[in-house]
Order: sequence, then C-alpha cells, then structure tokens
Amino acid sequence: GQQVMQIPQYQHVQEGEDFTTYCNSSTTLSNIQWYKQRPGGHPVFLIQLVKSGEVKKQKRLTFQFGEAKKNSSLHITATQTTDVGTYFCAPKAAGNKLTFGGGTRVLVKP
Amino acid sequence: NAGVMQNPRHLVRRRGQEARLRCSPMKGHSHVYWYRQLPEEGLKFMVYLQKENIIDESGMPKERFSAEFPKEGPSILRIQQVVRGDSAAYFCASSPDGAYEQYFGPGTRLTVT
Repeated sequence: GQQVMQIPQYQHVQEGEDFTTYCNSSTTLSNIQWYKQRPGGHPVFLIQLVKSGEVKKQKRLTFQFGEAKKNSSLHITATQTTDVGTYFCAPKAAGNKLTFGGGTRVLVKP
Repeated sequence: NAGVMQNPRHLVRRRGQEARLRCSPMKGHSHVYWYRQLPEEGLKFMVYLQKENIIDESGMPKERFSAEFPKEGPSILRIQQVVRGDSAAYFCASSPDGAYEQYFGPGTRLTVT
C-alpha cells in the first residue's frame, strides 16, 4: 500500500510563530488528504490535493503538493492556540481506502 | 444533518468477552469505513463497507474481527474474545457517493481489562 512518513512527529510552537509539517512518500501519489484531530477528538477533513505542484490556502493554512507528487506540506502562519492538535496526511487509494501517516502533534506555547 | 454517530463512546470488556461497536453514518451516506487508533499513533484502516457488502477488508485481522453493514440499521464492528491488545479507539467514517472526503464519528474507546 501507499505508506507516508510525517515529520516532525512533535512540533512545539510559540504562539504567533509559523511552522511547517511534511509528508513524504517513496512512491508517486495520486492524491493526498489532510486531516486534523484535536486532543480527545476525531479526525476532521481539511483538504485534498490532486495536481502536481498544487497549492491551496485556508486562512492561515497553506497546503502544497510536490511537483513529483511524492510529498506534501502544511504551513501554518501566526500559530494560535486553536491550532493545537495532530495533523495527519493520508493518500486515498483506489477503493476509497485512506492510509494515514503517523501525524505531527502540535503544541502551542502561549 | 446529524453527523456520524457511534456508540457506545466508551466500552470496557474483560479478556475473552465480546465487543460490539455501532456506527450510524450520516444521512444519505452509503459508504462506511472503520479505523483503529492506538495511543499516540495514526489511524489504521480496517474495513470498507457499502450496504450489505464488504468492499475491502484488507486491514481486518483474520481472526476474531468481523464487520457488517446491513440493509437496515447501523454498521457493526464485532470483536470476539477480546485481548488486551485490542484496547484502542475505533473510529467509523462515512461518505456519500462520489465524495472524496470522509466524515468521522466521535469514536468508541475500547478498554480490555
């Protein structure tokens, strides 16, 4: 199946700072989805990227799909305490199966 | 439109007992997925079902685990003769025809003592 590695595993961020989390695959992906899971909560869909080099923005979140479609990134600007949680990338294979990465756990220092 | 519903939210079972986890998808969604999440880990796909059919069960352990999505009623994930290693959060997700995103329920946190 399509395996993805996420780095870093943990991200401690000062409130107001920017950070980036990465999702890497050894194989070419047809698409990549991103989900956010708050502590004690359930995953919530954020975005899907399909095209090579695609960039999508949601307010302070910028999602990018690499030119070779083997990696993706999520950049958050001006981090807020509401950004706390774990961010997962997940390619969706044929047949709707999602393969989640290990996630990046984001902790925000006020 | 109510979201995906799962019950119970917390379930405690002794080793050797059976656990039944229920999932009601969002209205109009005919695709149901089950995932398992161990503490501090990502979600692992278990099974994908449509009404009355198992589409992909490649993530299901071969023994003790079964899933169904009957014509009427919720989807059921059944774990027989639970062991301590089955302790985890089990999430159900649903999606409508043609959609790419999945909508997750609140999960059932199973503890095996």
